[in-house]
Amino acid sequence: DTEVTQTPKHLVMGMTNKKSLKCEQHMGHRAMYWYKQKAKKPPELMFVYSYEKLSINESVPSRFSPECPNSSLLNLHLHALQPEDSALYLCASSQEEGPGFQPQHFGDGTRLSIL
Amino acid sequence: GEDVEQSLFLSVREGDSSVINCTYTDSSSTYLYWYKQEPGAGLQLLTYIFSNMDMKQDQRLTVLLNKKDKHLSLRIADTQTGDSAIYFCAETRSNDYKLSFGAGTTVTVRA
Repeated sequence: DTEVTQTPKHLVMGMTNKKSLKCEQHMGHRAMYWYKQKAKKPPELMFVYSYEKLSINESVPSRFSPECPNSSLLNLHLHALQPEDSALYLCASSQEEGPGFQPQHFGDGTRLSIL
Repeated sequence: GEDVEQSLFLSVREGDSSVINCTYTDSSSTYLYWYKQEPGAGLQLLTYIFSNMDMKQDQRLTVLLNKKDKHLSLRIADTQTGDSAIYFCAETRSNDYKLSFGAGTTVTVRA
């Protein structure tokens, strides 16, 4: 069982749709992360939030918009996505943002398909 | 080139031991992790080792670290069908927040 919960598990959307991915953790972690993972590849970091503030944006296109409403929740708002954005989107959390020993705990992801 | 390298595939018979290897390039790597990803699931943190350690054992899992050769291995004893998954080696460094992953090793357990 994962302590990081992501919803929905699957999402199919058109290129003109607007949707949101949600992530929740109740471990008291203050750092939260969004990753994108293509099939058979390692996860690629997209965003890092530390104490509810955006800390890192790995040059992600503006059609992806993160939001951290509180210390337990992390959202990823999607708009005007492209077919190449189809992937597994993983959320993770850690006690604090690194450096140092900050193991990241991952959710099961949202599998996103863009039509 | 890649900071963390792994072989891509491993096939092992049920009941045998599996050994998954990983090499890393940065000597300032401080923490090394093994994650497991089953089909359709996220990443599960299996174990980790600090760079000042040589070995760590946790039930069926043994992690060996050779700092001189920058080589990390994960041994799974008595491999079961439930161990079939992709295993990612990952590192963090003392001066960086980022978790750097290897390409992942797909382990297939055959009866």
